[in-house]
Amino acid sequence: GAVVSQHPSRVICKSGTSVKIECRSLDFQATTMFWYRQFPKQSLMLMATSNEGSKATYEQGVEKDKFLINHASLTLSTLTVTSAHPEDSSFYICSAPDRASQNSPLHFGNGTRLTVT
Amino acid sequence: QKEVEQNSGPLSVPEGAIASLNCTYSDRGSQSFFWYRQYSGKSPELIMFIYSNGDKEDGRFTAQLNKASQYVSLLIRDSQPSDSATYLCAANNAGNMLTFGGGTRLMVKP
Repeated sequence: GAVVSQHPSRVICKSGTSVKIECRSLDFQATTMFWYRQFPKQSLMLMATSNEGSKATYEQGVEKDKFLINHASLTLSTLTVTSAHPEDSSFYICSAPDRASQNSPLHFGNGTRLTVT
Repeated sequence: QKEVEQNSGPLSVPEGAIASLNCTYSDRGSQSFFWYRQYSGKSPELIMFIYSNGDKEDGRFTAQLNKASQYVSLLIRDSQPSDSATYLCAANNAGNMLTFGGGTRLMVKP
């Protein structure tokens, strides 16, 4: 089946630093990838849609200058949390459909647990 | 606002029983529906998807879809303690985007 690899799985950083999270589709090409954030005991919240070769689309309330998304190839999207603060501590998960079909399920990476101290 | 609603639970069932998880959605344009299982601290994993009205069975899991009522359900037969997790219902929107419900926490007691 389709595999999405996400790294790192866990990161601890100091307030004010930046953190980059990578998301790769291992056995399929993903023109679109989705970035979610999940706080404890809450559901997944879509942050942005990453589009290969074009600008990402951000959901309302998500700061595009703080959460930089780059989708430079058909198998790699990155999310950079810039000038991280403790309130950015969360579980970040990327996902991608393995086909362009509207009925294609999303395949999730294993997630990145970010802790900002 | 396109919404997917689930009862947060917890839903507690004894081992061996049938667990019934329900979900409603507001966007009549949604055509595909997905059930994901999420263990604590882990990312969601796909269990089943359904596109057509009626039932779809896969092992111990049965997904049910009623588009007229905008209702999706997941039945888990012979529930096991390892099935204890949060189950997320999702409906697709335009551009392969999924809208997720808040999830139902299932507890299967030995």
